[in-house]
Amino acid sequence: NAGVTQTPKFQVLKTGQSMTLQCAQDMNHNSMYWYRQDPGMGLRLIYYSASEGTTDKGEVPNGYNVSRLNKREFSLRLESAAPSQTSVYFCASSETGLDIQYFGAGTRLSVL
Amino acid sequence: DQQVKQNSPSLSVQEGRISILNCDYTNSMFDYFLWYKKYPAEGPTFLISISSIKDKNEDGRFTVFLNKSAKHLSLHIVPSQPGDSAVYFCAARPLAGANNLFFGTGTRLTVIP
Repeated sequence: NAGVTQTPKFQVLKTGQSMTLQCAQDMNHNSMYWYRQDPGMGLRLIYYSASEGTTDKGEVPNGYNVSRLNKREFSLRLESAAPSQTSVYFCASSETGLDIQYFGAGTRLSVL
Repeated sequence: DQQVKQNSPSLSVQEGRISILNCDYTNSMFDYFLWYKKYPAEGPTFLISISSIKDKNEDGRFTVFLNKSAKHLSLHIVPSQPGDSAVYFCAARPLAGANNLFFGTGTRLTVIP
């Protein structure tokens, strides 16, 4: 039972490059989330998808786009990476917005 | 502005003793509170939660206390074990906007054998 799977685990980008972080869950959850974790800041919500076909901004959406490809997959795209986007990114999913969120192992991204 | 605060970045406790992790919040609209535990190179995992209609919730060695008037909650671990060594995050969810979960900055607990 894989739960929430994130790829890649590590990535180094140069300023201005683009990339997509992938997330997939096998728990048949309706809601999915993307967070970033920075030192001294805790986890902050970037975007979420309450159900397939919907996406909404969280606390820190600027510089990111998301796609809820299907019920299983929720991707996060950086169109033009900036050093301020150096962070650890976590994907999570839950049955609904009221339920416990289950997290992936994270993607450590460095933007030089 | 940090709406959920964990003012102690770290805590060390002897094995077998009680660990008390504290969390304060500023938003009176929060109605559900959770604790997550995180090991290095892993994602956070859910530990225990409490609704605002309760003041205590217990699950084995873990107890969460909520003081709404003080906007304060705490996690008690009794007895503490070396495997409890991890970073603990407090999180809170508002009554409206259920998908929004606000996290504290975390407290690193070290249980000394």
